[in-house]
Amino acid sequence: GAGVSQSPSNKVTEKGKDVELRCDPISGHTALYWYRQSLGQGLEFLIYFQGNSAPDKSGLPSDRFSAERTGGSVSTLTIQRTQQEDSAVYLCASSPEPFYEQYFGPGTRLTVT
Amino acid sequence: DQQVKQNSPSLSVQEGRISILNCDYTNSMFDYFLWYKKYPAEGPTFLISISSIKDKNEDGRFTVFLNKSAKHLSLHIVPSQPGDSAVYFCAASETSSYKLIFGSGTRLLVRP
Repeated sequence: GAGVSQSPSNKVTEKGKDVELRCDPISGHTALYWYRQSLGQGLEFLIYFQGNSAPDKSGLPSDRFSAERTGGSVSTLTIQRTQQEDSAVYLCASSPEPFYEQYFGPGTRLTVT
Repeated sequence: DQQVKQNSPSLSVQEGRISILNCDYTNSMFDYFLWYKKYPAEGPTFLISISSIKDKNEDGRFTVFLNKSAKHLSLHIVPSQPGDSAVYFCAASETSSYKLIFGSGTRLLVRP
């Protein structure tokens, strides 16, 4: 079956612009996670959605970052007024229920110039 | 403060030999540990996991060992194959939370 998909695969934006990154989880997966990987670093947790519960936003690095998940499926991660330090690969993952074994998408490489 | 550390950024082994990838953690509340494998331009894929109630878990050529007193885990790949060449991430989590805390990864190269 189809895996987690993310779009765009690459995004180059100018400093100060807003960007939206999209994630389509595996159909039927109730849990959705966003991570980011900066150059030479491990994956950093950003936010976690589970069903209709309030999301765990504890990993969002600043109030410029926000995410939503509509209809319990597709999620968008929005970064406002992008900064150069936001350059990273943004990875989305989903799982059938809240669980550690998460299925990752290919990521969106964001470059802020 | 890195809670999960992979101190070796890279490892090179001969095909057929054993690959040993190491991971250390600092948070004693972690009770579930995973290894993910990542190829270029792809997302990480789950490889193997271990709960803190065990000290060993085996799946084919892959074995994960957990030493709770030392806060250390390792992944053994025997025998190593060229297709195993990838970046391997160690991750940890607490039962109360499903967010994974990742190490910085170790790039494994298996030479034919």
